[in-house]
Amino acid sequence: EAGVTQFPSHSVIEKGQTVTLRCDPISGHDNLYWYRRVMGKEIKFLLHFVKESKQDESGMPNNRFLAERTGGTYSTLKVQPAELEDSGVYFCASSQDLGKSLAKNIQYFGAGTRLSVL
Amino acid sequence: QKEVEQDPGPLSVPEGAIVSLNCTYSNSAFQYFMWYRQYSRKGPELLMYTYSSGNKEDGRFTAQVDKSSKYISLFIRDSQPSDSATYLCAMRGTGTASKLTFGTGTRLQVTL
Repeated sequence: EAGVTQFPSHSVIEKGQTVTLRCDPISGHDNLYWYRRVMGKEIKFLLHFVKESKQDESGMPNNRFLAERTGGTYSTLKVQPAELEDSGVYFCASSQDLGKSLAKNIQYFGAGTRLSVL
Repeated sequence: QKEVEQDPGPLSVPEGAIVSLNCTYSNSAFQYFMWYRQYSRKGPELLMYTYSSGNKEDGRFTAQVDKSSKYISLFIRDSQPSDSATYLCAMRGTGTASKLTFGTGTRLQVTL
């Protein structure tokens, strides 16, 4: 079974440009999460999809960030326009459901997209 | 103040040593507690997952949760060079409050 896949693995862009990150969750996982790690800081939550609906977007830093999950499968995170402080590693995670079963609500992480804004 | 505090290390130990990694937290709503391991340029990989207080053992790894003290620990017995990685504690609430709150991670180096 394939794990969580993220594209690209690394992106270097200039300030003011647009970048789109993609995440393919594990097949059958309804829950998809985006997190971000800025250098020297902890991994921080950005938002959570249940299927195609945004369950929690409390961690999105500002309106330059737009996340979508059309059809409830893969998700994209667009940053437009990118700023220097957006540099970091963006992780995607997915889980099967939110019930009491520990096994089913484990969040599996992708390898991340390293974003460098120059 | 951060919700989860974790000593960033680095922590260097000889092969075979017992390693103790710890996190403290402030949010009483946290009920699920996890330890992830992250190798360089890889994503976090789940090591241990516990609900509420108590101990859980899996091979060389033991996770402890003390909710009264808001303190969690991960012990690694007979540490190996392959255990060299960053260890992240993470926690979450119940039900739909499923977002994970992470510590900064502790970098561990196990030397020969």
